[in-house]
Amino acid sequence: GAVVSQHPSRVICKSGTSVKIECRSLDFQATTMFWYRQFPKQSLMLMATSNEGSKATYEQGVEKDKFLINHASLTLSTLTVTSAHPEDSSFYICSATPPPSYEQYFGPGTRLTVT
Amino acid sequence: AQSVTQPDIHITVSEGASLELRCNYSYGATPYLFWYVQSPGQGLQLLLKYFSGDTLVQGIKGFEAEFKRSQSSFNLRKPSVHWSDAAEYFCAVVPDNYGQNFVFGPGTRLSVLP
Repeated sequence: GAVVSQHPSRVICKSGTSVKIECRSLDFQATTMFWYRQFPKQSLMLMATSNEGSKATYEQGVEKDKFLINHASLTLSTLTVTSAHPEDSSFYICSATPPPSYEQYFGPGTRLTVT
Repeated sequence: AQSVTQPDIHITVSEGASLELRCNYSYGATPYLFWYVQSPGQGLQLLLKYFSGDTLVQGIKGFEAEFKRSQSSFNLRKPSVHWSDAAEYFCAVVPDNYGQNFVFGPGTRLSVLP
C-alpha cells in the first residue's frame, strides 16, 4: 500500500526559532498533500492543501506567514513553523493522495513542542 | 450547517463483545465515506471506505461499515472486539463538491476491558 513518511517524528525547539517538517510519499507521486493539526484528544483540523508547483491553499484562520508550505516535488511537501511559540505546540500530520484517488494516506505525525 | 458527527465521545466495551461506532453526516449528496483508526501518538490508518455500490463494506482487522442513505449514516461495526482495538476512531467524509478535502468527525475513543 501507499506509504507516507514524516520527519522528524518529534521535535523540541525554543520559542522564536523555526522548525521544518517534511512529508514524503515513498512509493507514489502525490500532486496534492494535506497538512493537519491535531490538539490532544481532538480531531484533525485541516490547515492547508499543498499542490505541487503552486501555492498552498490555506484554511480560514491559518496564518500563511507563520505556517509556510512548500510542495517542491511530487513526493515532498514541507511545513515550516516560523517564529514558533508555545501555542504552536501540537501534533502535525500530513497526508497525500495518489491521483485520481480520493483516498488519503497519512503520515505518522510530528509532535512539536515549543519551550 | 454541514458537518460530520460522531455522537459517542468515548465507548467502553469488554473484550469479545460486539461494537458499533456511529457516524452521521449532513451533506446533501452522497459523499465519499471513510473510517480511520489512530493509536496514541500515531498517524491514521484506513479501515475501510465507501464510494458507491454495495452499502455494506468490509475493511481490515475484521471491521465492516454500512452506508444508509436514508439515515445519512455510515456506522462502523465489529462482531468481537480485541484488546488491540483500543484506539481513537475517526469518520471522514469527502463531500461531493469539496474536491479532495476531507471533513473529519470529532472522533470516538474506544476502550476495551479485559
